[in-house]
Amino acid sequence: GIQVEQSPPDLILQEGANSTLRCNFSDSVNNLQWFHQNPWGQLINLFYIPSGTKQNGRLSATTVATERYSLLYISSSQTTDSGVYFCAVEASGSGTYKYIFGTGTRLKVLA
Amino acid sequence: KAGVTQTPRYLIKTRGQQVTLSCSPISGHRSVSWYQQTPGQGLQFLFEYFSETQRNKGNFPGRFSGRQFSNSRSEMNVSTLELGDSALYLCASSLEYTDTQYFGPGTRLTVL
Repeated sequence: GIQVEQSPPDLILQEGANSTLRCNFSDSVNNLQWFHQNPWGQLINLFYIPSGTKQNGRLSATTVATERYSLLYISSSQTTDSGVYFCAVEASGSGTYKYIFGTGTRLKVLA
Repeated sequence: KAGVTQTPRYLIKTRGQQVTLSCSPISGHRSVSWYQQTPGQGLQFLFEYFSETQRNKGNFPGRFSGRQFSNSRSEMNVSTLELGDSALYLCASSLEYTDTQYFGPGTRLTVL
């Protein structure tokens, strides 16, 4: 089945710093989403981005489907950005599972 | 529009018991998916329902089952609970079969 790898696994930043999170996937995908999981376990939808580039405030994401990776950019990080960031993909083809999640990037932003 | 709701939020059971979790999707959404999250295995797909039909199923034993009602609300059931079933169970809904997924707050199940 499709493999989803995220890097780095852990990241510590000072408030105001920028960061780039990466998601690599091993096969073609129909869909890709980025999520932020807060300390209470709630998964918050950041981007639905099977291809192209999107921006939402300080966050932006780019997916290059032909090269099988996606990037999440966080600019001017704030302490509220702390948590775990997941990418999830839905593989192409019939009979496939719904979203396969990566192992996540745990981000801690220090004041 | 109200988000995805899950009940109960917390649950404690003992080994051998069974449990039923409920998920109410966002109004108008027809697809509901269930996931299990554990520290060791991460987030794993359980199954998906669309218009009351199971469309996809993950690699879980038959003790895990689910259903979807005509109003799109979904339940999942775990029979003969094991200690390893302790996890956060997350439900997600989407408007169509292939679409953005929105997650509920989860049900944290502890099996003693």
